[in-house]
Amino acid sequence: SQQGEEDPQALSIQEGENATMNCSYKTSINNLQWYRQNSGRGLVHLILIRSNEREKHSGRLRVTLDTSKKSSSLLITASRAADTASYFCATDQGGSEKLVFGKGTKLTVNP
Amino acid sequence: GAGVSQSPSNKVTEKGKDVELRCDPISGHTALYWYRQSLGQGLEFLIYFQGNSAPDKSGLPSDRFSAERTGGSVSTLTIQRTQQEDSAVYLCASSFGSWVEQFFGPGTRLTVL
Repeated sequence: SQQGEEDPQALSIQEGENATMNCSYKTSINNLQWYRQNSGRGLVHLILIRSNEREKHSGRLRVTLDTSKKSSSLLITASRAADTASYFCATDQGGSEKLVFGKGTKLTVNP
Repeated sequence: GAGVSQSPSNKVTEKGKDVELRCDPISGHTALYWYRQSLGQGLEFLIYFQGNSAPDKSGLPSDRFSAERTGGSVSTLTIQRTQQEDSAVYLCASSFGSWVEQFFGPGTRLTVL
């Protein structure tokens, strides 16, 4: 079964607006990661947040983690057309060394 | 430095043929992962190598799938007697240890006719 489930499945916004994507998971984790994928090929790592962290920033990205609700959110501020991509959350399962990915949120930023 | 590379970038084969997909990880990375991604779907874990430990093969969908990693570096994923449902993008990733960011290659798009 999917460990990470992103919500929404698709999101369309205008350039300059903020985009928020959510991820829910089922088991305890060591960390949660967010990745971006352009054009259905290789993924690029965006940010990693550990289970003892609640919020993390990287440039225009802000990630939160609520382990009590088993959920995370990715906020992209002041979006750009170049942010158009699919975004995936990935978690380990109770400390497993492999990552389990959700099905992703497809973000479209319209110029 | 070079990133993760995969070859071929595209592979078209006939049902029943065997295929080999290659992954060159980032030098020095101890962990190597194979994933499969069907159209519009998330990544499905296939197999994981970490150093000299026995690989975690728990994600391989059938015994037609196998993988090896030679010398702790290059890895080959082999699919025997390919089926149409094997059509997907096969992604390789490497990392320096566990529970850290993974670096992905561009993938191999496999099409089984």
